[in-house]
Amino acid sequence: GDSVTQMEGPVTLSEEAFLTINCTYTATGYPSLFWYVQYPGEGLQLLLKATKADDKGSNKGFEATYRKETTSFHLEKGSVQVSDSAVYFCALSGAGGTSYGKLTFGQGTILTVHP
Amino acid sequence: GAVVSQHPSRVICKSGTSVKIECRSLDFQATTMFWYRQFPKQSLMLMATSNEGSKATYEQGVEKDKFLINHASLTLSTLTVTSAHPEDSSFYICSARVVGQSNEKLFFGSGTQLSVL
Repeated sequence: GDSVTQMEGPVTLSEEAFLTINCTYTATGYPSLFWYVQYPGEGLQLLLKATKADDKGSNKGFEATYRKETTSFHLEKGSVQVSDSAVYFCALSGAGGTSYGKLTFGQGTILTVHP
Repeated sequence: GAVVSQHPSRVICKSGTSVKIECRSLDFQATTMFWYRQFPKQSLMLMATSNEGSKATYEQGVEKDKFLINHASLTLSTLTVTSAHPEDSSFYICSARVVGQSNEKLFFGSGTQLSVL
């Protein structure tokens, strides 16, 4: 079945540091890939997504590129801020409209950014 | 943006009791609700999918008689953990699917941390 392997945390960085959170996946066909973020006390929010190979999703300074050859979707940000402290989840959705919403998640990575 | 309100955020109960978790879509109608749970240091795992007005579809290994899901309206879905035991202690979270004109979107609740003593 489908699976997502995410870089284990927690990750602790200083403000303005470069961030990479690794994510690799196993899936049949051509899944859509997502990064979700959960701030303390809030629900998961979609951060960015990519629906086909070589697509780059980007939002709020975060980027991730759908790499089919390496089955990866690593999250990057050039300069993190304290407000980026949250839990980040990599996820995939199987191909086909009826499976949209049935997400397979990684285990989440806790990011803490210090001033 | 759209909000899914999930309550309670945290609950502690005695073994053998039942616990109800609610998810409400506050400003939209959710055609489908998904329920996930997450054990410590593990992934969020899909438990079941429910469509308004019909029976929920459970994932393999999830006991439907233990985890009762009701989706009686387009704005409310509930998950009841019946006769809870310590091994049911977990983080439960719902997500609502909205079908719009051009795409589909998912909105998540903030989750419920269940601790069974």
